[in-house]
Amino acid sequence: EAQVTQNPRYLITVTGKKLTVTCSQNMNHEYMSWYRQDPGLGLRQIYYSMNVEVTDKGDVPEGYKVSRKEKRNFPLILESPSPNQTSLYFCASSTKGQQETQYFGPGTRLLVL
Amino acid sequence: AQSVTQPDIHITVSEGASLELRCNYSYGATPYLFWYVQSPGQGLQLLLKYFSGDTLVQGIKGFEAEFKRSQSSFNLRKPSVHWSDAAEYFCAITSSGGSYIPTFGRGTSLIVHP
Repeated sequence: EAQVTQNPRYLITVTGKKLTVTCSQNMNHEYMSWYRQDPGLGLRQIYYSMNVEVTDKGDVPEGYKVSRKEKRNFPLILESPSPNQTSLYFCASSTKGQQETQYFGPGTRLLVL
Repeated sequence: AQSVTQPDIHITVSEGASLELRCNYSYGATPYLFWYVQSPGQGLQLLLKYFSGDTLVQGIKGFEAEFKRSQSSFNLRKPSVHWSDAAEYFCAITSSGGSYIPTFGRGTSLIVHP
């Protein structure tokens, strides 16, 4: 089954404790991205990657890191989480092209205390 | 810079009634336009998209949307709503000018009364 998977689905952590949210897709997509969803703000893009070793900032990259060492994986790293990073995070993938459909993972709900 | 406005935060309809969700965009050229649906506890799923051709686009689950260039709008419609349509709906655009960064609206929450 074609899908985007994220782990963990739920995470509670404390300020400053490094964490990684994994994202993997099995559709051989070139383009992957991370979003955060906050009430009243919709989805905002954090980082995106157009292919292996090619990443770029989205609209809200501060406090986040990403890497793209393999085509299928695109982990999101919070090196020193803060409470304002409490949010719902989505990973998405697509073939390359602005008109292409994005396929979303099920989301990771993060609470930073 | 491109932007998307969904003016309605919440919409309440009765089951069987018609539905229209509004989406307006701001962009110099013709953008690529999308509607996604997010069911409770789920990720987003594409309903339909427009990038050229016929301005009336058919999607899944009986939804359609019409691109109106003169009004910079891409409103989503359904003639008869089902209780299972209760969800969050997002309009989004990417630019034909080269940016890979999609812009999403803030979403419209659809509540369906029996």
